[in-house]
Amino acid sequence: GESVGLHLPTLSVQEGDNSIINCAYSNSASDYFIWYKQESGKGPQFIIDIRSNMDKRQGQRVTVLLNKTVKHLSLQIAATQPGDSAVYFCAENRGSGTYKYIFGTGTRLKVLA
Amino acid sequence: NAGVMQNPRHLVRRRGQEARLRCSPMKGHSHVYWYRQLPEEGLKFMVYLQKENIIDESGMPKERFSAEFPKEGPSILRIQQVVRGDSAAYFCASSPPGGGREETQYFGPGTRLLVL
Repeated sequence: GESVGLHLPTLSVQEGDNSIINCAYSNSASDYFIWYKQESGKGPQFIIDIRSNMDKRQGQRVTVLLNKTVKHLSLQIAATQPGDSAVYFCAENRGSGTYKYIFGTGTRLKVLA
Repeated sequence: NAGVMQNPRHLVRRRGQEARLRCSPMKGHSHVYWYRQLPEEGLKFMVYLQKENIIDESGMPKERFSAEFPKEGPSILRIQQVVRGDSAAYFCASSPPGGGREETQYFGPGTRLLVL
């Protein structure tokens, strides 16, 4: 069945520390992955994406790691700031001509001052 | 440089009424997607449209729900005879006409539907 899940529903991190948000996906045919950030009352905001031919991709303060062997995706946020507090979703595109994203249930990141 | 626009932002309906949700994609985007989000859950795909065409409606309930993206004007998600279980946030996303599956989808602020 369809399943993109997260290991931790809530993650509390001290300001300035690094955050790691994990995501497991179930379909080995998925070949494109995206991380979104959703603040309360707002729509998902694109953070970073990665294609299945890559293991790692870096953006500004964020890094996404992809382990296809164990079907695992992670988002690392360096020097976490209060503005990073939000719910983070991973999403996958399953290939085979489909355009829809399959979203996980989300992880709430709380940044402690 | 307007992003994806959705209106209304909040919509209250009584059971049995109709709900119409509108989405204007980003400028230059011709692909529109609708997703539904229940509280504390991820987004669930509903339908993917291009101008005047429904490409994938595999996530749409078989009854009461319909979507369109006319040649002119916004995309419309229509829910007839709403029930309390339709209460959710409905998000629209758009992507450019590159044709690739990996075109990033950009989301609007959503419409929060409450059915009394």
